[in-house]
This record gives sequence, C-alpha cells and structure tokens, in this order.
Amino acid sequence: GAVVSQHPSWVICKSGTSVKIECRSLDFQATTMFWYRQFPKQSLMLMATSNEGSKATYEQGVEKDKFLINHASLTLSTLTVTSAHPEDSSFYICSATDGASGDTGELFFGEGSRLTVL
Amino acid sequence: GQNIDQPTEMTATEGAIVQINCTYQTSGFNGLFWYQQHAGEAPTFLSYNVLDGLEEKGRFSSFLSRSKGYSYLLLKELQMKDSASYLCAVMDSNYQLIWGAGTKLIIKP
Repeated sequence: GAVVSQHPSWVICKSGTSVKIECRSLDFQATTMFWYRQFPKQSLMLMATSNEGSKATYEQGVEKDKFLINHASLTLSTLTVTSAHPEDSSFYICSATDGASGDTGELFFGEGSRLTVL
Repeated sequence: GQNIDQPTEMTATEGAIVQINCTYQTSGFNGLFWYQQHAGEAPTFLSYNVLDGLEEKGRFSSFLSRSKGYSYLLLKELQMKDSASYLCAVMDSNYQLIWGAGTKLIIKP
C-alpha cells in the first residue's frame, strides 16, 4: 500500500519557539493532505486540508497564523507550529489520499509526531 | 449538529467475537469508515461501507444500515494484538470525515 512518512516522531521544544513537522508521500502523489491533532484519549480532530499549490483550508477554531501549512509539492506538506505554547502539546498526524482510491476515501496516515512544549 | 456515537471501552476474551457499534447523525452520507489505532500510533484503515449490508475481510466484518444510521465492526477469533482503539468515521455531504471518539478494545487472555 501507499506509504506516508512523517518527521519528526518526537519533538520537545521550549515555549515561544517554532516547530516544523514534515509529511511525505513516498510512493505516490498526494494532491490532498490532511493534518489532524489528537489529544490523549480523544478522537482525531481535523485541523486543515492541504491541496498542492494552493492555500490550506482550515477548520473552524484553528488559527491560520499559528499553524502554518505549506503543500509546495505533490509529495510534501509541512505543518509549522509557530510560537508554541504548552497547550499546543499534542499528537499531530498527517494523512494523504493518492486519488486512485477515488471515493473509497482510503487515507494513508503518517506515523504521527508527538509535540511536547515545555 | 453532526454526531458519531460509539462505546468508550469494551472488553473481550482472546479467541472470542466482539461487535463494536457506531451510530451517526450527519449532514449527508458518503460512506462510513472503520480505522484501527494502537496507542501512540497513527490509525490504519480497516473498512469502508457505502451500501447497506455486510462487508467481510478476513477476521473483520463491517455492517451498515443507512436507514438506521448504524454500523458495526465485528471482530472474530480475537487475538491479543487486536487490543486497540477502533474509530468510526462518516464522510458527510461535503466529503468531510466526521470522526467518532473511538472505542478502546481490551483483550484478555
């Protein structure tokens, strides 16, 4: 199956710094990538939908200026958490569809990135 | 509003069968998905139902009734490695996935 790689898996940073998380589709072209956040014992919450070459579509309540998403190529999307604060500590997961799945909507998930802000 | 309901936690015995239910109320319907998520890992795709009925895939089966807004995931011959959270998600009329909170399945020897 299609492979999505996410990096880094773990990151610890100081409050006020910025952190970039990369999401790559290794063996397919991902026209659309999704970014989720998951707090402990809670469900996935969609943050934004990222389409290659255009601005990301953010879900209600997600700050665009804080969570910068760039999808510059068909195989790479990045999420930058700017001026991170402890409340941003969470598990961030990306997913992508290869388009070939059509309406079956099979999403291929990255491994996730656990962010801890001190 | 849109709502996905599934039990918070279930316990079953190794080798047994367990059924995890999911009910939904969404703006439109374009399919229902089940994902498995082990602790600290990303979800993995299990099944997709868009028509009523049962879809079987090895030890896992998924059922859908659109008129009742209801689905279940059936796991047979349970193994310890099946201990995980099982997420139900519905794609609404805007092709957005609405996620349930997940059911934590605990398998006991």
